[in-house]
Amino acid sequence: KQEVTQIPAALSVPEGENLVLNCSFTDSAIYNLQWFRQDPGKGLTSLLLIQSSQREQTSGRLNASLDKSSGRSTLYIAASQPGDSATYLCAVNGGSQGNLIFGKGTKLSVKP
Amino acid sequence: GAGVSQSPSNKVTEKGKDVELRCDPISGHTALYWYRQSLGQGLEFLIYFQGNSAPDKSGLPSDRFSAERTGGSVSTLTIQRTQQEDSAVYLCASSLGVGGRLYNEQFFGPGTRLTVL
Repeated sequence: KQEVTQIPAALSVPEGENLVLNCSFTDSAIYNLQWFRQDPGKGLTSLLLIQSSQREQTSGRLNASLDKSSGRSTLYIAASQPGDSATYLCAVNGGSQGNLIFGKGTKLSVKP
Repeated sequence: GAGVSQSPSNKVTEKGKDVELRCDPISGHTALYWYRQSLGQGLEFLIYFQGNSAPDKSGLPSDRFSAERTGGSVSTLTIQRTQQEDSAVYLCASSLGVGGRLYNEQFFGPGTRLTVL
């Protein structure tokens, strides 16, 4: 059974710092991996999608990498801003129905 | 264009009542997913539709839960005889599902927060 783990559960950094969020999964047979952002009381905003054949994806200050064989992904946020404060969720897609399996998230707080 | 929409945004009901939650996917998206996010729990997959068909309903938590999708668009999730443990945020997502591909990017709606008293 696929399990997704995110470390750390919470992270607080001063504005301007570069940071890395970690995601690991137990079954490397995935089709893709998606990173999301969730603001309090809101739905999920898709940040990056990495297909299983890809090693990384970039969008603005965000860079996500994927090492499928070792079951790991990282989300790198450059020059963090208070507006980046949110919970970041990692999800893998490998089920027969295309459903996502989520980690429990990393709650990020960026202090001004 | 418009994203995934869900209604109502909040629903408070009494234990034992039935509730109906609605999801309107992105236009042209053939795949639709329901998930549940409970306090302290992660996101849990409930059911998937390709077009109007749900091939596997085993992810639904109990037989009090049912879902349907008509016209390949709007979907409703119905919970009968609600229990307090049903309290959660119910999220809907859609994806292209083009050519039978299940593995496109999923886009989520804002969710329905259900509270069962």
